[in-house]
Amino acid sequence: EIVLTQSPGTLSLSPGERAALSCRANQSVSNTYLAWYQQRPGQAPRLLIYGVSSRATGIPDRFSGSGSGTDFTLTISRLEPEDFAVYYCQHYDSSPPMCSFGQGTKLEIK
Amino acid sequence: EVQLLESGGGLVQPGGSLRLSCAASGFTFANYAMTWVRQAPGRGLEWVSGISGSGGTTHYADSVKGRFTISRDNSKNTLYLQMNRLRAEDTAVYYCAKPPPAYTYSFPHFDYWGQGTLVTVAS
Repeated sequence: EIVLTQSPGTLSLSPGERAALSCRANQSVSNTYLAWYQQRPGQAPRLLIYGVSSRATGIPDRFSGSGSGTDFTLTISRLEPEDFAVYYCQHYDSSPPMCSFGQGTKLEIK
Repeated sequence: EVQLLESGGGLVQPGGSLRLSCAASGFTFANYAMTWVRQAPGRGLEWVSGISGSGGTTHYADSVKGRFTISRDNSKNTLYLQMNRLRAEDTAVYYCAKPPPAYTYSFPHFDYWGQGTLVTVAS
């Protein structure tokens, strides 16, 4: 079973700064099946990135994803006030079909 | 416009049962696998179950296997989650979520989510 570990647990930054959020898997995963979500308080998750680096529809280009194997990164190039939220990485395993999520990184205003 | 609307949550005693529904609109429901994801209060996301577009294939997280049953009625564009033998640790907001187009049998990621329905298991 794939276990995803996100770090840091909380990241304190200021608007305009660059954020780098890490997601590490306990074994190598397929690049096709690594996604990132943003969740604001009281809202459902929102898909940001899929397939490691493809932006979902309507997602600003300040969001980017990278990585391979066991180490993946979500980068937000210049933080906007609305970007302060919790971020989750997610992996899909096709055999047997199941999903796993990281525990989340809270991005807070410094 | 894609819409997913969950219902059926509420307060239930440990050992009790509850059935959640997710009414879908704005897309050809039968062409998509569907899933349930839950989130305990103040905690992260946990995948619960998935079902193929036809309903013929189902999958469950180990934490709910044997207690929860996912199903769908494509004539009503509705997804269900029958939850039996509920435990305190099942307390969570339950979301239904759909994969992007062309995923009838799998659910690699989720481009639309409902707003969730809260299930509280307590005496």
